[in-house]
Amino acid sequence: QKEVEQNSGPLSVPEGAIASLNCTYSDRGSQSFFWYRQYSGKSPELIMFIYSNGDKEDGRFTAQLNKASQYVSLLIRDSQPSDSATYLCAVNSSFQKLVFGTGTRLLVSP
Amino acid sequence: DAGVIQSPRHEVTEMGQEVTLRCKPISGHNSLFWYRQTMMRGLELLIYFNNNVPIDDSGMPEDRFSAKMPNASFSTLKIQPSEPRDSAVYFCASSAQASGYQETQYFGPGTRLLVL
Repeated sequence: QKEVEQNSGPLSVPEGAIASLNCTYSDRGSQSFFWYRQYSGKSPELIMFIYSNGDKEDGRFTAQLNKASQYVSLLIRDSQPSDSATYLCAVNSSFQKLVFGTGTRLLVSP
Repeated sequence: DAGVIQSPRHEVTEMGQEVTLRCKPISGHNSLFWYRQTMMRGLELLIYFNNNVPIDDSGMPEDRFSAKMPNASFSTLKIQPSEPRDSAVYFCASSAQASGYQETQYFGPGTRLLVL
């Protein structure tokens, strides 16, 4: 079992819709969870991080964490074509060490 | 802030040649990470340093790979000899690790390596 699992997609949503990206992890001791966005040919850039169970909102983005279910999600409201990218979920496995999922490709159509 | 700086941005070399990738972390950051990204395996951590000291190199694929961090503002990843299967994008990232939680890692633009 992979440490961090994501559906590779592509996830296709129309412009203005809500995109829901999901991630599961295997290490129950994980405390820090990150969502990175990576455009084709570019480097990953941080979207959000979350440490506590529940929801965390930042503009159009909401991260959700459920440690009991070992589940992290990212919601993107009012999706825009510019949100089309690969979204990487990352989980800390030990001090300073992040494990990345293989990413979910999101396509937002105009 | 200039962000994480990597050089070269692109490297094409022949099998058997030595390749050296360079990274300058964000000023003030005390942790540095080297990753490799391929379509097949995604983003993999190769090695990371804290305060210039290698902490975990368990991701280094084999003895052909080595990394150094002689000071807080410079690190190298060397592949000798290079092989076609080393072709990938190599990212350097840095973070300001202070608290018990994992701090955000900021990525450089990457080096695209092609070994022929």
